[in-house]
Amino acid sequence: EAQVTQNPRYLITVTGKKLTVTCSQNMNHEYMSWYRQDPGLGLRQIYYSMNVEVTDKGDVPEGYKVSRKEKRNFPLILESPSPNQTSLYFCASTSLIHSDKHEQYFGPGTRLTVT
Amino acid sequence: AQKVTQAQTEISVVEKEDVTLDCVYETRDTTYYLFWYKQPPSGELVFLIRRNSFDEQNEISGRYSWNFQKSTSSFNFTITASQVVDSAVYFCALLQGDSGGYQKVTFGTGTKLQVIP
Repeated sequence: EAQVTQNPRYLITVTGKKLTVTCSQNMNHEYMSWYRQDPGLGLRQIYYSMNVEVTDKGDVPEGYKVSRKEKRNFPLILESPSPNQTSLYFCASTSLIHSDKHEQYFGPGTRLTVT
Repeated sequence: AQKVTQAQTEISVVEKEDVTLDCVYETRDTTYYLFWYKQPPSGELVFLIRRNSFDEQNEISGRYSWNFQKSTSSFNFTITASQVVDSAVYFCALLQGDSGGYQKVTFGTGTKLQVIP
């Protein structure tokens, strides 16, 4: 079964305490990305990765880091979280955009609260 | 810069009515992709369709249909004979694409559809 897993699903933390949200996919997709969802703003792309060791910034990368050491994993790192990073985060895994059998899957979301 | 506008914030329809969700995009690229997603009240995101900029054929999948018009930079989504299960937030998105693969994805702010039984 195609799956994107994210952990944790819910997290309440304090300002400045480093945290990592993990994302893993089992479909051997090349492309993975992170989004944050905020009321009235839709989804905004934080970072994306086109393959192992290839990452690039989306529209709102400030305060976030990512790594792609293995094809299946794409963790999102907040080195020093701040309250404005309180949000709902989604990881996505996507097959080749040109493929006839293009597919996209999202993780279940991580609700992060930074106090 | 690219932009996606979903001007309809919320729509309510009575079950079995047809409803069209509008999506207007802006991009300077000649190669791009458009998508629609569904986010039901349970919160998960579901990919519905991909369309590339060179394919203006309309697409139908069951009660869902999509109308892509480059002349008006629109990619509208119609649900025929709506059902309560269609109640969700629907997002339109735009991806710049080139031979190198992927670039940024820009989402619209979403349209919340409520289907009243």
